[in-house]
Amino acid sequence: SQTIHQWPATLVQPVGSPLSLECTVEGTSNPNLYWYRQAAGRGLQLLFYSVGIGQISSEVPQNLSASRPQDRQFILSSKKLLLSDSGFYLCAWSVSPGGYGTEAFFGQGTRLTVV
Amino acid sequence: GDSVTQMEGPVTLSEEAFLTINCTYTATGYPSLFWYVQYPGEGLQLLLKATKADDKGSNKGFEATYRKETTSFHLEKGSVQVSDSAVYFCALSDPSSGNTPLVFGKGTRLSVIA
Repeated sequence: SQTIHQWPATLVQPVGSPLSLECTVEGTSNPNLYWYRQAAGRGLQLLFYSVGIGQISSEVPQNLSASRPQDRQFILSSKKLLLSDSGFYLCAWSVSPGGYGTEAFFGQGTRLTVV
Repeated sequence: GDSVTQMEGPVTLSEEAFLTINCTYTATGYPSLFWYVQYPGEGLQLLLKATKADDKGSNKGFEATYRKETTSFHLEKGSVQVSDSAVYFCALSDPSSGNTPLVFGKGTRLSVIA
């Protein structure tokens, strides 16, 4: 069966420090991969999605970036964190290509606090 | 573009009360519709789904019917429990939009009190 791993679960980082969050999927090939963010008490904001290795679509311009170095690995990065980067980050995957009944499956999330 | 609108809440109910969370959508094609649930501090879990008009998705006592004529997918449960307290997200997947992400509503926070 397919599983998604996301780490770390919690992270406290100072302003201006770098960030690297990692997500891996097991049990499937060539998944679509996604990074979402939830600010406190808010809905989901799609940050990046990828339909293949090296293919990244950015939904919101900001100081974050994403990379997909391997088929089932998705990394969210920042060179210098801002206070506004605090939030709950969620990785997700779905079957590619999408079609009827194609749901997304989510990781457990990373709680990032920038201080 | 495609969009999902759901009641924002928060919704506060007493245990055993009836729950309805409204969800309407706009889509260019014939989407599949989903409800996700997020418990505190966790990721989203798929609660139920429906892939065509008049389909009813159901799980854990929750159900929702795909109504094409009203472009709606309202979530209902006959008797809520404290353990149902969570945030609920309505979402759609539109195959006519190609290989694109799910479109989510803003979420509805449900609190059930004993």
